[in-house]
Amino acid sequence: EAAVTQSPRNKVAVTGGKVTLSCNQTNNHNNMYWYRQDTGHGLRLIHYSYGAGSTEKGDIPDGYKASRPSQENFSLILELATPSQTSVYFCASGDWGFGPGTRLTVL
Amino acid sequence: SQWGEENLQALSIQEGEDVTMNCSYKTYTTVVHWYRQDSGRGPALIILIRSNEREKRSGRLRATLDTSSQSSSLSITAAQCEDTAVYFCATDALSSNMGYKLTFGTGTSLLVDP
Repeated sequence: EAAVTQSPRNKVAVTGGKVTLSCNQTNNHNNMYWYRQDTGHGLRLIHYSYGAGSTEKGDIPDGYKASRPSQENFSLILELATPSQTSVYFCASGDWGFGPGTRLTVL
Repeated sequence: SQWGEENLQALSIQEGEDVTMNCSYKTYTTVVHWYRQDSGRGPALIILIRSNEREKRSGRLRATLDTSSQSSSLSITAAQCEDTAVYFCATDALSSNMGYKLTFGTGTSLLVDP
């Protein structure tokens, strides 16, 4: 059974809409991370967390918020989605295991 | 930027050949991770080398780390078609908030032809 899962796997959103990407891990890791991957840029860190209730800004946090309501769950929130946020988003947990990714398209 | 090279590199080899991928980094790190990513999937850790190791082997994989030049390499011996993937190196650096964060290079796209 996969240790890091993400939902949804695919999402189409409209510009200005709110988008929430969810991540769940079953390994009881303290640390969780959100990355985005764009062609030619590798993976870039958006937000991360050290445990329930904590969120920290990564290297490219602008336009994103994060929420860690529990040890298992870490969400990435786009309050006002823009086309530039079209990307593939990956969640990872403390042992650097990654989820399968969410493909987000903002029209 | 963390990395000396910013563009995704592409390598194409024949099955059975050996291949080496290189990366360099600018920020101090104690660990270099190497990941492979298959199309449509998340990155998967394949080998990890620490600053007190100059070389690490795992099956047909060999990673090296030179902390003095801040560079690492990943070699695959006798490459097979199933080695076709994008390979990333990443450094595990202590952040200002005393937690670790993984910073990735742009990767190397490896195509192994039969």
